[in-house]
Amino acid sequence: EAQVTQNPRYLITVTGKKLTVTCSQNMNHEYMSWYRQDPGLGLRQIYYSMNVEVTDKGDVPEGYKVSRKEKRNFPLILESPSPNQTSLYFCASSLDRGDGYTFGSGTRLTVV
Amino acid sequence: AQSVTQPDIHITVSEGASLELRCNYSYGATPYLFWYVQSPGQGLQLLLKYFSGDTLVQGIKGFEAEFKRSQSSFNLRKPSVHWSDAAEYFCAVDTNSNSGYALNFGKGTSLLVTP
Repeated sequence: EAQVTQNPRYLITVTGKKLTVTCSQNMNHEYMSWYRQDPGLGLRQIYYSMNVEVTDKGDVPEGYKVSRKEKRNFPLILESPSPNQTSLYFCASSLDRGDGYTFGSGTRLTVV
Repeated sequence: AQSVTQPDIHITVSEGASLELRCNYSYGATPYLFWYVQSPGQGLQLLLKYFSGDTLVQGIKGFEAEFKRSQSSFNLRKPSVHWSDAAEYFCAVDTNSNSGYALNFGKGTSLLVTP
């Protein structure tokens, strides 16, 4: 089944403890992206990637890192999480920019 | 500033009634336009998309959307709403620029369907 898989689905962590949210797609898509969703703010893009080793900042990149070492994977790294990074995170991928994204099921992160 | 506006935060319709969700954008050229739906606790599902051609596009689940260049709008419609359509709906715009790939979302419209 064609899909975007994120792990974990839920995560509670403490301030400052490094964490990684994994994202993998099995559709050979070129484009991948990370969004965070917060009440009243909608979805905001954190980082995106247009191909292997090509990444760029979105609207809210502060406090996050990404890497794209292989086409299928696009992990989101929080080196030192803070409570304001408590949010619902979505990974998404698309074959081409006109196709629209396929979204993962989301990762609910709580930083205490 | 470039933006995507969904003027209605909440909309309530009766089951069987027609639906129109509004979306306006402020970008210079014709962008890529999308509508997504998010059911509670779920990810986002693509309903339909538009870039060029016929300005009335059909999507999944009986939805359609009309692009109006003069009004910078891309409104979503459904002739008869079902209770299962209750969800959050997001309009999204890709500026189609060479400076980067930014799919910008509106803040969403929450649809409530009453019996």
